[in-house]
Amino acid sequence: AQSVTQPDIHITVSEGASLELRCNYSYGATPYLFWYVQSPGQGLQLLLKYFSGDTLVQGIKGFEAEFKRSQSSFNLRKPSVHWSDAAEYFCAVGPYSGGGADGLTFGKGTHLIIQP
Amino acid sequence: KAGVTQTPRYLIKTRGQQVTLSCSPISGHRSVSWYQQTPGQGLQFLFEYFSETQRNKGNFPGRFSGRQFSNSRSEMNVSTLELGDSALYLCASSIAGGAYEQYFGPGTRLTVT
Repeated sequence: AQSVTQPDIHITVSEGASLELRCNYSYGATPYLFWYVQSPGQGLQLLLKYFSGDTLVQGIKGFEAEFKRSQSSFNLRKPSVHWSDAAEYFCAVGPYSGGGADGLTFGKGTHLIIQP
Repeated sequence: KAGVTQTPRYLIKTRGQQVTLSCSPISGHRSVSWYQQTPGQGLQFLFEYFSETQRNKGNFPGRFSGRQFSNSRSEMNVSTLELGDSALYLCASSIAGGAYEQYFGPGTRLTVT
């Protein structure tokens, strides 16, 4: 069964500093990987996705992520965070691409706090 | 394009009652998925509908059901509500499900008392 692990429940970063959120996945085939962000009381917004090809993907709001098959990782990065980046970040894998349509499997999320 | 809309946004029900939540996907999207989000279990997949057919279902009891209409709008129903059903219910729409990215609505916050 597929699974996603986000090792960091909370991360605190100073405004203007760089950010890296970790994500490790377990999946039986080539994964489809996603990062979503959720602000309080809101739904999830898609930041970026990896399906195939270039392992470094660019997303919205200045985020990027790198797929590393050997490490089963898909870490999210941003060179300089803004106070507005404070939110909950979710890594997700799937859905299964071999016919049928399982839903996305999400990690437990990383709560990002921005210090002024 | 308008985003995914969900109604109502907030709902308070009593144990034993039933509830129906509604989701209107992005225009042109034919797949609608439902997720439950709770502090303890996180985000969990409920089911997915495509062209009025349920294609897959997560590990939830039969009290949770859904349907999709010909215009791709979807409803989910929870019967015999339990306190543990209190959650944020998120709807996601996709062009065709499968490998296509999903776009989420704002959710319906259900509180069961």
